[in-house]
Amino acid sequence: GENVEQHPSTLSVQEGDSAVIKCTYSDSASNYFPWYKQELGKRPQLIIDIRSNVGEKKDQRIAVTLNKTAKHFSLHITETQPEDSAVYFCAAVSSNDYKLSFGAGTTVTVRA
Amino acid sequence: DAGVTQSPTHLIKTRGQQVTLRCSPISGHKSVSWYQQVLGQGPQFIFQYYEKEERGRGNFPDRFSARQFPNYSSELNVNALLLGDSALYLCASSPRTYEQYFGPGTRLTVT
Repeated sequence: GENVEQHPSTLSVQEGDSAVIKCTYSDSASNYFPWYKQELGKRPQLIIDIRSNVGEKKDQRIAVTLNKTAKHFSLHITETQPEDSAVYFCAAVSSNDYKLSFGAGTTVTVRA
Repeated sequence: DAGVTQSPTHLIKTRGQQVTLRCSPISGHKSVSWYQQVLGQGPQFIFQYYEKEERGRGNFPDRFSARQFPNYSSELNVNALLLGDSALYLCASSPRTYEQYFGPGTRLTVT
């Protein structure tokens, strides 16, 4: 099955700086890569996703890049704000089974 | 536009008991998936249903079962509860194959 690794596990940034989270996956059949933001005590919220036929996608201050050859994808948050503080999860979906395989999560803290 | 709803919000059960969790997907969504999230970890896939048929099952024991109803709502049943079953149980609905939107979850505590 799919194995998704996520780094770093914690990330502390100064407000206004950028944050980068990296993930790798193992299943070459994976073709959909969403990112979720989970605030304490709340549901995971889909914030951006990318499909395997696209190398980069941007939505305001967040962007995701995908390198299919290396089997890794990254989340970039620019101009971080205190409300960006949360746990971020990357995930991968294989065309073989359509289930979400999650990384272990990155706790992002934005210092004011 | 209502999102995914789950009930109950919280539940406390004793070891050996059985529990049923419920999920209503976003209107128009035909796929429902269940995930278990232990504190400090990412969600783990349990089941996926599409058009009332089981489409996938994760590495969980047979004590876990689920079903999807004609209105696309779903139930997750867990028998013979163990302390290790304590977790947040998340339901996600999907309009098509990939994008999944999560409900608020049911917090299950087994004592």
